[in-house]
Amino acid sequence: SAVISQKPSRDICQRGTSLTIQCQVDSQVTMMFWYRQQPGQSLTLIATANQGSEATYESGFVIDKFPISRPNLTFSTLTVSNMSPEDSSIYLCSVDSTSGSYNEQFFGPGTRLTVL
Amino acid sequence: AQSVAQPEDQVNVAEGNPLTVKCTYSVSGNPYLFWYVQYPNRGLQFLLKYITGDNLVKGSYGFEAEFNKSQTSFHLKKPSALVSDSALYFCAVRDSNRDDKIIFGKGTRLHILP
Repeated sequence: SAVISQKPSRDICQRGTSLTIQCQVDSQVTMMFWYRQQPGQSLTLIATANQGSEATYESGFVIDKFPISRPNLTFSTLTVSNMSPEDSSIYLCSVDSTSGSYNEQFFGPGTRLTVL
Repeated sequence: AQSVAQPEDQVNVAEGNPLTVKCTYSVSGNPYLFWYVQYPNRGLQFLLKYITGDNLVKGSYGFEAEFNKSQTSFHLKKPSALVSDSALYFCAVRDSNRDDKIIFGKGTRLHILP
C-alpha cells in the first residue's frame, strides 16, 4: 500500500487569504485525487490531479478557486484561494492502489482547515 | 449514476455484541464496492472490498461484509464489537459513469458502548 503524507496537518487562516496543501506519496502513482470533507459530511471529490496536464475538476469546483499542481508522479499541491469560512473543511489527498483500476484508493491523513 | 446509500446516521452497539453497518447500492453493470473507516482526527483507512467472487469478504480488524445481489446490499459486520471500533464508516462504489471514480456514502457513525 502507498504511504501518503500531507502538509500542513491543520491550519487556521483569515478570510481572503490562500493556503497551499502539499501531498507526497512514497511511490510513483498514476492517479492522484483531492477530496473535501465538510464538517459532518461525506467526502466530495474536488479534482483529479494529472501529471503533465491540467487537473480535471468535478462539477461545482473551478481552477480559479482550487488550483492544483502535479509536477511529478509522487507529489501534488492543492491551493484553496480567497478563502471564506465556507471553505473550512478537511482536505484529503488520495491515490489509486497500484494493483488495478477497480481496486481501493489510499488516503492521506488530511489537512484540517479553519477559516475565520 | 452509480451510488451507495447508508440509511443509518448512527449505530449504537454494546461491546461484545455483533455489529452491522448497512449499505445498499445502485449500479449498472458489475458493482465494485468498498468499506472505509475514519477514526477521529485521522484520514480514511481501507477495510475491505468486493470486486467479484465469494459473497463474504473478509477485511481488516476482524470486519467482514456480505455482498447480496438480490437485495443490492453490502452490509459491514463484525461478530464481536470493541470499543476501539467506534468511528465513522463509509461505504463506497466505483462509478463506471464517471471514469471509475470512487463515490462515497454519507457515512455512519458507530458507537460501541462499554
